Amino acid sequence: GAGVSQSPSNKVTEKGKDVELRCDPISGHTALYWYRQRLGQGLEFLIYFQGNSAPDKSGLPSDRFSAERTGESVSTLTIQRTQQEDSAVYLCASSDRWADTQYFGPGTRLTVL
Amino acid sequence: GQNIDQPTEMTATEGAIVQINCTYQTSGFNGLFWYQQHAGEAPTFLSYNVLDGLEEKGRFSSFLSRSKGYSYLLLKELQMKDSASYLCAPAAGGGNKLTFGTGTQLKVEL
Repeated sequence: GAGVSQSPSNKVTEKGKDVELRCDPISGHTALYWYRQRLGQGLEFLIYFQGNSAPDKSGLPSDRFSAERTGESVSTLTIQRTQQEDSAVYLCASSDRWADTQYFGPGTRLTVL
Repeated sequence: GQNIDQPTEMTATEGAIVQINCTYQTSGFNGLFWYQQHAGEAPTFLSYNVLDGLEEKGRFSSFLSRSKGYSYLLLKELQMKDSASYLCAPAAGGGNKLTFGTGTQLKVEL
């Protein structure tokens, strides 16, 4: 079946603009995760959804970052007033249940000029 | 807190065996994932160990010792396509969130 998909694959924006990143998880997966990977660094956890609820938002770096999930499916990560340090690859992963294997999407490469 | 230690780089010869070690200190530990990541691509799942011991899957095996906070990934019959970064990722907490180090960059040579 289809894997995790993300859009756009690449996004270039100007400092101060808002961006929305989309994740479509594997159909039926109840858990959804957002991670960020800055150049040359390891992945950092941002937020986790179980269904449409986000029990763990501890990784969101500032209040400029927010995420939502609807229909226990699509999730959107929004970054307001982007800064250059937000430049990274944003990866989404989903799993059947929270304890199961997380499968990653191809990521969105965000560049803030 | 979370702390993950794995070698930054390793080099091995095609056809050989390589072992990539990982030590971790993780609160609320549930299990440990290994992922492979080629440059510019998303991580792909290799293994998930919850219980102590060795799990074998084709050319790849993974070992976990929960009491020692230690895991290793064993790659046999190395192929050039195995050149990639290998990520050790403990899973923790109610959401099973993953913590990653910077990974081990494996280079397979002829």
